[in-house]
Amino acid sequence: NAGVTQTPKFRILKIGQSMTLQCTQDMNHNYMYWYRQDPGMGLKLIYYSVGAGITDKGEVPNGYNVSRSTTEDFPLRLELAAPSQTSVYFCASSESGTVNEQFFGPGTRLTVL
Amino acid sequence: DAKTTQPTSMDCAEGRAANLPCNHSTISGNEYVYWYRQIHSQGPQYIIHGLKNNETNEMASLIITEDRKSSTLILPHATLRDTAVYYCIGLRTGTASKLTFGTGTRLQVTL
Repeated sequence: NAGVTQTPKFRILKIGQSMTLQCTQDMNHNYMYWYRQDPGMGLKLIYYSVGAGITDKGEVPNGYNVSRSTTEDFPLRLELAAPSQTSVYFCASSESGTVNEQFFGPGTRLTVL
Repeated sequence: DAKTTQPTSMDCAEGRAANLPCNHSTISGNEYVYWYRQIHSQGPQYIIHGLKNNETNEMASLIITEDRKSSTLILPHATLRDTAVYYCIGLRTGTASKLTFGTGTRLQVTL
């Protein structure tokens, strides 16, 4: 199993551009999450999904959108990128919401200039 | 979910036990204590979790006080590869339990 994979690893965006961060898991997990981590800080939850077709906001959803059309994929869309979105983005998945061992991807480092 | 308090940083000599404390005085009866760690620039990694009883797995042991207001993560024989930021998280298990990461404890294992 590859676990949780994320693409791209690095990206530089100009202010106002858009992009989609990809996340795929091959563990057949129902729950998936997107976090962001600013320098020297802990992770903050952006969006999460409890299954295909179901998504909900986390702590810091503004400026982002998600969709979950399949169990495997959970892309994160940035519209109109801003410097405040410069961060490292981590995707994670878990089998359920009760036993919360989350498996994390390697992250996408995004810089908005 | 309970607020947790951890020391900012700790050092440990390689081969010795690393004891990482966590205070969670507001934890409620149905909240678990989870521990994750994050090795530099990587995604966090689950270590262990517990509710009331002490727990042990291949990575670590978790000691929870009887009043559940604090806990200690023990890495029995720390190695250089255990250098990481360790997060203690109080989590009420339920629908889409969402982890709340603080700033954690930066553990530096030295020769």
